[in-house]
Amino acid sequence: KQEVTQIPAALSVPEGENLVLNCSFTDSAIYNLQWFRQDPGKGLTSLLLIQSSQREQTSGRLNASLDKSSGRSTLYIAASQPGDSATYLCAVRDPDKLIFGTGTRLQVFP
Amino acid sequence: NAGVTQTPKFRVLKTGQSMTLLCAQDMNHEYMYWYRQDPGMGLRLIHYSVGEGTTAKGEVPDGYNVSRLKKQNFLLGLESAAPSQTSVYFCASSPLARLDYGYTFGSGTRLTVV
Repeated sequence: KQEVTQIPAALSVPEGENLVLNCSFTDSAIYNLQWFRQDPGKGLTSLLLIQSSQREQTSGRLNASLDKSSGRSTLYIAASQPGDSATYLCAVRDPDKLIFGTGTRLQVFP
Repeated sequence: NAGVTQTPKFRVLKTGQSMTLLCAQDMNHEYMYWYRQDPGMGLRLIHYSVGEGTTAKGEVPDGYNVSRLKKQNFLLGLESAAPSQTSVYFCASSPLARLDYGYTFGSGTRLTVV
């Protein structure tokens, strides 16, 4: 059974720091991995999607990497801003389902 | 805008009452899903559908039923609501032919059972 774990569960950093969020999964047979952002009381916004054949994806200040063999993905946020404060979720796809981690709650303070 | 629409956005039920949550998508996606989100538990899959007329159980299906009579709609039913079903419910969709495609989520339904 696929299990997805995110570390740390919560993170508080000053504005301007570069930071890394971690996601690990137990079964390397995934189709893709998706990172989402969720603001309090809101829905999920897709940030980045990495295919199983890819090593990384970039969008603006965000960079996500994927190492299938070790069952790990990282989300790198450069020059963090208070507006980045949210919960970040990773999810892996097997053929029919998307399986989520429990998320990392990020707070960026001025 | 194209996407996934959930109805209603908020609902309060009394224990034992029934209700149906509606999910509608206009992207012609084959796959549709219902998740629930609880504090500290992440999103857990309740039921899903891989096409019109099909349904399958996810991780936490007990107490829920679903129907997919039309491709664009996926209904989640609670026959006899319990306080343990207090949660935020999210619907999502994805195209079948594109396993490299990501999921699109609705904005959620916040359900409280008292």
